[in-house]
Amino acid sequence: AQKVTQAQTEISVVEKEDVTLDCVYETRDTTYYLFWYKQPPSGELVFLIRRNSFDEQNEISGRYSWNFQKSTSSFNFTITASQVVDSAVYFCALWGYQKVTFGTGTKLQVIP
Amino acid sequence: NAGVMQNPRHLVRRRGQEARLRCSPMKGHSHVYWYRQLPEEGLKFMVYLQKENIIDESGMPKERFSAEFPKEGPSILRIQQVVRGDSAAYFCASSPLERTGGTEAFFGQGTRLTVV
Repeated sequence: AQKVTQAQTEISVVEKEDVTLDCVYETRDTTYYLFWYKQPPSGELVFLIRRNSFDEQNEISGRYSWNFQKSTSSFNFTITASQVVDSAVYFCALWGYQKVTFGTGTKLQVIP
Repeated sequence: NAGVMQNPRHLVRRRGQEARLRCSPMKGHSHVYWYRQLPEEGLKFMVYLQKENIIDESGMPKERFSAEFPKEGPSILRIQQVVRGDSAAYFCASSPLERTGGTEAFFGQGTRLTVV
């Protein structure tokens, strides 16, 4: 069985603050992939990052960074210097054997 | 190289009608996944199909819902006798393998079903 937990339901930050979105997962698979998706108010799913279970290297892409820690089964996402356009629901997802399991999402509101 | 195409983007049905949602996977992808997102909720797995086969339908409601992925043509998610509770966004994803391999999971833009 797979499970993805995003404990933060909603977060509000003031523009230019840094914010970290937490993601904790459970799986029995030894090979799996972790994803983050952004869902803006328009509703589509925007792919942000994919990480496989053997690659624990942290990644930075512009204002976005991801911290994958296999020892704690966490894959946290940090936005540095947040902007209003970052306001969206963010989903963490686990692709294990045959299916993708999504967390319930974290709604981020960036206040100008 | 077009992405996963879902149509229609928006679908309105009256209670009791049938809804047919289409998903054309990316070229070369033979695995399709359907997910449902109820209002203000996360995405829930419904069904996983390969060409002409249903591999896992553990997330599908037992009645009124069916899915297919024929040898030719798009995958179809069919909802018979729709009820208001079926109103949701339905997302389709495709991949070339059971796992994503070296690629990200490709999702379509979703079909928003509204039952009135």
